[in-house]
Amino acid sequence: DAKTTQPPSMDCAEGRAANLPCNHSTISGNEYVYWYRQIHSQGPQYIIHGLKNNETNEMASLIITEDRKSSTLILPHATLRDTAVYYCIVRVRGPPQISSGSARQLTFGSGTQLTVLP
Amino acid sequence: EPEVTQTPSHQVTQMGQEVILRCVPISNHLYFYWYRQILGQKVEFLVSFYNNEISEKSEIFDDQFSVERPDGSNFTLKIRSTKLEDSAMYFCASRPPGLPSNQPQHFGDGTRLSIL
Repeated sequence: DAKTTQPPSMDCAEGRAANLPCNHSTISGNEYVYWYRQIHSQGPQYIIHGLKNNETNEMASLIITEDRKSSTLILPHATLRDTAVYYCIVRVRGPPQISSGSARQLTFGSGTQLTVLP
Repeated sequence: EPEVTQTPSHQVTQMGQEVILRCVPISNHLYFYWYRQILGQKVEFLVSFYNNEISEKSEIFDDQFSVERPDGSNFTLKIRSTKLEDSAMYFCASRPPGLPSNQPQHFGDGTRLSIL
């Protein structure tokens, strides 16, 4: 799986958009970008994932550059409860059939500590 | 919304004792995982499990570790003879089947294992 690079920490004012960048310059065509977050003492929480198109769900938006070498996670209106470590993870797309080979684990880096300030 | 549940939330065990950590994955999921996180360090993969057998395991997952799905709902991690360095948060995760096979994993809130 491709390596990702994220800033170690970021601050964001409450109510403003939080934009978390991730570089994955060695990503290959069959690798997805996943974002998870970990609030202190809790398990990692899935946020969003994408391959090449921008994606949006109720939690966030994911913007992937056209060359797919970087992406940005956007929390449109950050709240204090969004303070967490955010992980950008690249993972190889599994085969279409159900098989043990598609069980692929996630490889977590150090992530970005986002602190939302009141 | 369905979630992965783990018990106990905190387990304290004497070094050398056996410990079993329990997980109830989301009901229609077919892929199961254990990860651990030593305090202040990264989340590390231990093992994945599918179709009643181990799919992949890391170097951490040595002969002291085993996993089992004893019935249709539970997924367990056993550490046979615990060591001080096994102290960590242990997270269970599960993933649904089907297409696309890039469905995300969903994690429980973990069991904090403290070895004395």
